[in-house]
Amino acid sequence: GENVEQHPSTLSVQEGDSAVIKCTYSDSASNYFPWYKQELGKRPQLIIDIRSNVGEKKDQRIAVTLNKTAKHFSLHITETQPEDSAVYFCAPSGGSYIPTFGRGTSLIVHP
Amino acid sequence: DAGVTQSPTHLIKTRGQHVTLRCSPISGHKSVSWYQQVLGQGPQFIFQYYEKEERGRGNFPDRFSARQFPNYSSELNVNALLLGDSALYLCASSLGHVETQYFGPGTRLLVL
Repeated sequence: GENVEQHPSTLSVQEGDSAVIKCTYSDSASNYFPWYKQELGKRPQLIIDIRSNVGEKKDQRIAVTLNKTAKHFSLHITETQPEDSAVYFCAPSGGSYIPTFGRGTSLIVHP
Repeated sequence: DAGVTQSPTHLIKTRGQHVTLRCSPISGHKSVSWYQQVLGQGPQFIFQYYEKEERGRGNFPDRFSARQFPNYSSELNVNALLLGDSALYLCASSLGHVETQYFGPGTRLLVL
């Protein structure tokens, strides 16, 4: 099955700084690369996704970049705000379609 | 338009019992997936159903089973409950087989 790793496991930044979370995967057939945000006690919510025919996608302060050759994709958050504090998960899929979630990155944004 | 709904929201069972969890997808979505999320970890894939057929199965024992109905709603059944089955069970719906998933609020199961 797919082996997914996220780094770092915890990320602490000051408000206004940028944050980058990296996700590496093992299945070269993966073609769908989403990032989910889960606030404490709530459901995961998709914040951005990218497909394998695109290298980068941006939505306001959030961007995702994909390197299929190296089998990793990254979440970039600029101008972080306290409400960005949450756990972020990557979940690549597409090969056998069994989405494998990473263990999560806890982002803490200090005011 | 209503999002994904799940019932019940909370459930307490004892070891050895059976449980049925229910999920209604977003209108028009034909795919439903089930996940188990233990505290401090990412969701673990259990099943995916698309057009009422099982399209994917994660690494869970046969005590776990599911089905999808003609209206695309779904049930997850767990038999012979163990303490380790205590978790948040999430349902997610999507338009198709490999598409953006929209999660329901989850059912929090506690096995005593």
